[in-house]
Amino acid sequence: QVKLQESGPGLVKSSGTLSLTCGVSGDSISSSNWWSWVRQSPGKGLEWLGEISHSGNTNYNPSLESRVAMSVDVSKNKFSLNLSSVTAADTAVYYCARLGLYCGITSCSFFLDYWGRGIQVTVSS
Amino acid sequence: QSVLTQPPSVSAAPGQKVTISCSGSSSNIGNNYVSWYQQLPGTAPKLLIYDNNRRPSGIPDRFSGSKSGTSATLDITGLQTGDEADYFCGTWDGTLNTRLFGRGTKLTVL
Repeated sequence: QVKLQESGPGLVKSSGTLSLTCGVSGDSISSSNWWSWVRQSPGKGLEWLGEISHSGNTNYNPSLESRVAMSVDVSKNKFSLNLSSVTAADTAVYYCARLGLYCGITSCSFFLDYWGRGIQVTVSS
Repeated sequence: QSVLTQPPSVSAAPGQKVTISCSGSSSNIGNNYVSWYQQLPGTAPKLLIYDNNRRPSGIPDRFSGSKSGTSATLDITGLQTGDEADYFCGTWDGTLNTRLFGRGTKLTVL
């Protein structure tokens, strides 16, 4: 069974950098799947932050691209999120998730099939 | 305001059927697959439907999805009190180049 677990500071100072790590078990980071970050705040609902492949290729949410960086550590089966210049608007529950893939005859669909339990991150002034 | 529009809330009695809609545009739902997620209170979202209408292993057939044009629908039949949760639709938007989620629909089983 695939399991993901977020870890990192629950409190980050305004203008600082939010850094989280997601540990994966039951699957290898080196598999064909991509690995994602999603956050949820009361005011904005679910927001996709971006995703990374085992080789380090990334897709970021254009609205956050200047502040987001993701990395992967294949040897530790983990991937990470850095979000810089944080403000109170970045206060949210942060989830890591696996991007699943299903391919039919003509095309493929992508979906988030396994999620971590989430970690609350609060940005303080 | 989200690009994907869902009703804020729906309700129905136990045993009944409920339909949750997700309306988008040609840049998202119209040309991409839709997935649905269930979020029980205090927990992480859980995949319910992918590829518009496919269920992952372990999801009861009481949950079904469909898509027509630029809208998608999640149907839940034989409602149970344990189905009370928030339900989100999700897809890719080719114009915004981002994965999108609806704002979510809160299901109350009366």
